[in-house]
Amino acid sequence: GAVVSQHPSRVICKSGTSVKIECRSLDFQATTMFWYRQFPKQSLMLMATSNEGSKATYEQGVEKDKFLINHASLTLSTLTVTSAHPEDSSFYICSARELGGDTGELFFGEGSRLTVL
Amino acid sequence: AQKITQTQPGMFVQEKEAVTLDCTYDTSDPSYGLFWYKQPSSGEMIFLIYQGSYDQQNATEGRYSLNFQKARKSANLVISASQLGDSAMYFCAMRGLTGGGNKLTFGTGTQLKVEL
Repeated sequence: GAVVSQHPSRVICKSGTSVKIECRSLDFQATTMFWYRQFPKQSLMLMATSNEGSKATYEQGVEKDKFLINHASLTLSTLTVTSAHPEDSSFYICSARELGGDTGELFFGEGSRLTVL
Repeated sequence: AQKITQTQPGMFVQEKEAVTLDCTYDTSDPSYGLFWYKQPSSGEMIFLIYQGSYDQQNATEGRYSLNFQKARKSANLVISASQLGDSAMYFCAMRGLTGGGNKLTFGTGTQLKVEL
């Protein structure tokens, strides 16, 4: 199946700094990628939909200035958590849909665990 | 609007036994897809099985089968011959197939533990 790679898998940062997380589709092109946030023992909550070459669409309640999303190419989307605070500590996971896929299934990255001290 | 309900926060099953994880859904989309994902403790989401609302037959993938009952709006996952490696969190998800929407809506998940 298609492979989606996220980097870094774990990051620890100080409060007030910014952190960038990359999401890459390794063997397919993805015009649309999705960013999710997951708190411990909870479900995935969609944060935003990232479209190549255009602005991301954010879900209600998600601060677009805090979570900057850039989808510069058909294989790369980045999520930047700006001025991170301890409450931003979470598991962030991206997904992408393979163009022309029969089921439209979404392939997920390995996730990135952010800890803000 | 779409909603996925998983009523079993945790399930236990003995190795080699079969287990059913429940999932019910609600949607106004006439055409939709249902998915099951497995999330081990390492965090990655592993796609298991897909069922289209228009599919006449229940989907099967190896030891996984989806018991799709459209009238009851249920899409239960059946895992046969459970293995220790099946211990993980399982999420049911859906997305509408009309209007070009790609967003997946997830249930709250079921934590499955396979015991010896």
